[in-house]
Amino acid sequence: DIQMTQSPSVLSASVGDRVTLNCKASQNINKYLNWYQQKLGEAPKLLIYNTNNLQTGIPSRFSGSGSGTDFTLTISSLQPEDFATYFCFQHNSWPGTFGGGTKLELK
Amino acid sequence: EIQLQESGPGLVKPSQSLSLTCSVTGYTITSGYDWSWIRKFPGNKMEWMGYISYSGSTNYNPSLKSRISITRDTSKNQFFLQLNSVTTEDTATYYCARFSHGDWGQGVMVTVSS
Repeated sequence: DIQMTQSPSVLSASVGDRVTLNCKASQNINKYLNWYQQKLGEAPKLLIYNTNNLQTGIPSRFSGSGSGTDFTLTISSLQPEDFATYFCFQHNSWPGTFGGGTKLELK
Repeated sequence: EIQLQESGPGLVKPSQSLSLTCSVTGYTITSGYDWSWIRKFPGNKMEWMGYISYSGSTNYNPSLKSRISITRDTSKNQFFLQLNSVTTEDTATYYCARFSHGDWGQGVMVTVSS
């Protein structure tokens, strides 16, 4: 299976900050990388699919980039509702695999 | 608007089978897409367990292949997860999803304990 490694595991930031979350694949996954946001007690929410495509209804402050093995999720200006855990997921090869998550917390 | 809802027992004994139902409203599961089961373990690790396609074919994570079965009842627009010979390591929150569209149920927590 492809291993997905997210960094950092915890990120402390303030409202209004620009933040970047990282995801690294153990092998080339082309563009097939999704980002999810999960809040406590809720289902994961799809933010970005195939590296840089914004899911319908997701604010434009979220963006994704990368290719091959290295990917990033950027939040341009943190809002209070953005404090959550973020997961990356590769679907280049079966079985799809998730990263371990980055918890974005209020500084 | 599509909605997915998981249901099933919250407590299963070791060595027994875990059985969950996903009820889908707002979309007919035979019309298209793959219908997945994903689980999240305590500590955040997530695992895509497998799916049943709109045509009824299945694909399972090789890590579970000998224990997992995903089936459906098209008359009720439901699909099911069965996981056999569970251990405490199967304790997790289980989600059903129309994964490619980002549609998930709220999840059901299942604890494996005697």
